Amino acid sequence: EVQLVQSGAEVKRPGESLKISCKASGYKFTNYWIGWVRQMPGKGLEWMGIIYPDDSETRYSPSFQGQVTISADKSISTAYLQWSSLKASDTAIYYCAKTSNWYFDLWGRGTLVTVSS
Amino acid sequence: EIVLTQSPGTLSLSPGERATLSCRASQSVSSNYLAWYQQKPGQAPRLLIYGASSRATGIPDRFSGSGSGTDFTLTISRLGPEDFAVYYCQQYGTSPCTFGQGTKVEIK
Repeated sequence: EVQLVQSGAEVKRPGESLKISCKASGYKFTNYWIGWVRQMPGKGLEWMGIIYPDDSETRYSPSFQGQVTISADKSISTAYLQWSSLKASDTAIYYCAKTSNWYFDLWGRGTLVTVSS
Repeated sequence: EIVLTQSPGTLSLSPGERATLSCRASQSVSSNYLAWYQQKPGQAPRLLIYGASSRATGIPDRFSGSGSGTDFTLTISRLGPEDFAVYYCQQYGTSPCTFGQGTKVEIK
C-alpha cells in the first residue's frame, strides 16, 4: 500500500528545536519529489517546499526559506521538516505529501505542532 | 511568485445543484499545471484534478476541471452530500508552487 506515515503531535516551548518526520512506503522514494504544506488553525494551505530524495535538491517558498529545513534520508525513505528555534506562530498542522510532476497526489495525515509557553 | 485568487469565498448550495468554482492566477500558469484539492474538516486534502482537467484516480466524473492560462474552473455537476467541503487550487508549473485561499462549499 502506498502511504505516508507522519510522526505524532508535538507540544513545544518557544525557542526549542523540532524535527518531524514522514515515512514513505509502497513506492520508490527516490523517484518523486516530496513536500511539506502548512495549515495554520482555521486557515488555508501554504506550500512550504519540496525535496528530491535522490540528490536532496530542495526548493523553498520565500516565506519559509531560512525558517525551516527540509531534508530526506533515502536509506529509510523518510523526509523531515525541522526548526532550530520555534515561535508561537509555528503552531499549525504540517502535512507531507508525495508529488507527481510537483502536484501532490498522496498526502500524509498531518502532524500537529503546538508552540506555547 | 504566482498569486492564485479563488472565488467565491463561500458557495451556499443545495444537494443536487451545480457548483462552479473559480481560480484566477496573477500570471499565466506554465503548461496549465493547475491542480484542485478537496479538504473536509479534520482530514488531509485529497487530489481531485491535475493538469487543469485530468481527474485523479478514483474521482467521480461529476468533478471536472477546465481553463487555461490565468483562468481555471472546477465544476461539480450535481452536489452530493459528501461534496460539501473546502476546495483549493494550486499551480505547480513554477516554483514556488502556490495555493489559492480556498472556496468553502456549504449546504444552503
